[in-house]
Amino acid sequence: KQEVTQIPAALSVPEGENLVLNCSFTDSAIYNLQWFRQDPGKGLTSLLLIQSSQREQTSGRLNASLDKSSGRSTLYIAASQPGDSATYLCAVMSSGSARQLTFGSGTQLTVLP
Amino acid sequence: SAVISQKPSRDICQRGTSLTIQCQVDSQVTMMFWYRQQPGQSLTLIATANQGSEATYESGFVIDKFPISRPNLTFSTLTVSNMSPEDSSIYLCSGYVQSEKLFFGSGTQLSVL
Repeated sequence: KQEVTQIPAALSVPEGENLVLNCSFTDSAIYNLQWFRQDPGKGLTSLLLIQSSQREQTSGRLNASLDKSSGRSTLYIAASQPGDSATYLCAVMSSGSARQLTFGSGTQLTVLP
Repeated sequence: SAVISQKPSRDICQRGTSLTIQCQVDSQVTMMFWYRQQPGQSLTLIATANQGSEATYESGFVIDKFPISRPNLTFSTLTVSNMSPEDSSIYLCSGYVQSEKLFFGSGTQLSVL
């Protein structure tokens, strides 16, 4: 059974700092990995999707990497802003036809002005 | 991309009553998923809803408690029946739209007194 872990559970940084969020998974037989952002009491917004054959994806100030063999992914946020404050979740889609995602517990990010 | 409209956004309900949550998608979606997110926790899959067939429930969730309807490819409902305070959670619908990115509704924050 796939298990997804995110460390740290919470992170507080000053505005402008570059930061890295970590995601690890136990079963390397994945189809893809997706990073989401969740604002308090709200739904999830998809940030980046990395296919199992890819090593990284970039969107604006965000860069996500994937090392399938070691079961790790990182989300890099450059020049953080207070508007980046949210909970970031990674989710892994395992190989197979069910197309279900296993979510990590998230990293709650606070960017201080 | 896709827009999934979910309502209600929040509700406060009495013990023993039922609440139906609706999700409307602006595109056709083959598979829709219903998740629960308890306070401070990550997402747990309740069931997968396919049009024209009964929903598939995950371990720990049963149809009598969480009946789901999926009358067409753009609409689904989840009912939380005979509610208790333990059902207080955020409920989220989601689906894939012509891609492997998972799109989410904005969530329903349910409080049961």
